[in-house]
Amino acid sequence: AQSVTQPDIHITVSEGASLELRCNYSYGATPYLFWYVQSPGQGLQLLLKYFSGDTLVQGIKGFEAEFKRSQSSFNLRKPSVHWSDAAEYFCAVGSNTGKLIFGQGTTLQVKP
Amino acid sequence: DAGVIQSPRHEVTEMGQEVTLRCKPISGHDYLFWYRQTMMRGLELLIYFNNNVPIDDSGMPEDRFSAKMPNASFSTLKIQPSEPRDSAVYFCASSIGTSLSTDTQYFGPGTRLTVL
Repeated sequence: AQSVTQPDIHITVSEGASLELRCNYSYGATPYLFWYVQSPGQGLQLLLKYFSGDTLVQGIKGFEAEFKRSQSSFNLRKPSVHWSDAAEYFCAVGSNTGKLIFGQGTTLQVKP
Repeated sequence: DAGVIQSPRHEVTEMGQEVTLRCKPISGHDYLFWYRQTMMRGLELLIYFNNNVPIDDSGMPEDRFSAKMPNASFSTLKIQPSEPRDSAVYFCASSIGTSLSTDTQYFGPGTRLTVL
């Protein structure tokens, strides 16, 4: 069965520091992988997605993610975090029926 | 476009009462999804529609939950009777299609339901 694991429930980084949020997936074939961000009181917004081609994917707001098949990972990165990046981040894998399966989410806190 | 619209944004009700959540998808989107977000179970898909027809309701927790889509611009998720364990944030999302390579799901702001 498809599944997504985000090992870190909560992460705190200082503003200006680099960020990496971890995501591991379980899927039998080449996966469709997504990162969404949820700001307080808002719905989920798509940051980026991977489905084929270059394993390093660029997204909005300066985020990128790298697909590593050997590690079944799709970690999200940002070189320099801004206070406005404080939010909850969800990794998701897409099934062949078009359904999304989400991880439990990682809450990012940014220290000034 | 105004995006996916959900109402109400917050709902507080007492156990046993009927609750109706509403969603207006983005115009032109043929797919509509209902999700539930809880601390224990995270974000899970309840049901989705294609062209107003329910395609997969395997995520609907039990018979107390029902969803309808009477037309392309409106869907409801009803809980009758409601129970405290139904307290959660319910999201509606829509997309043009379900091709994950090209079709993005756009989420509404959610309805925070509290059942006392």
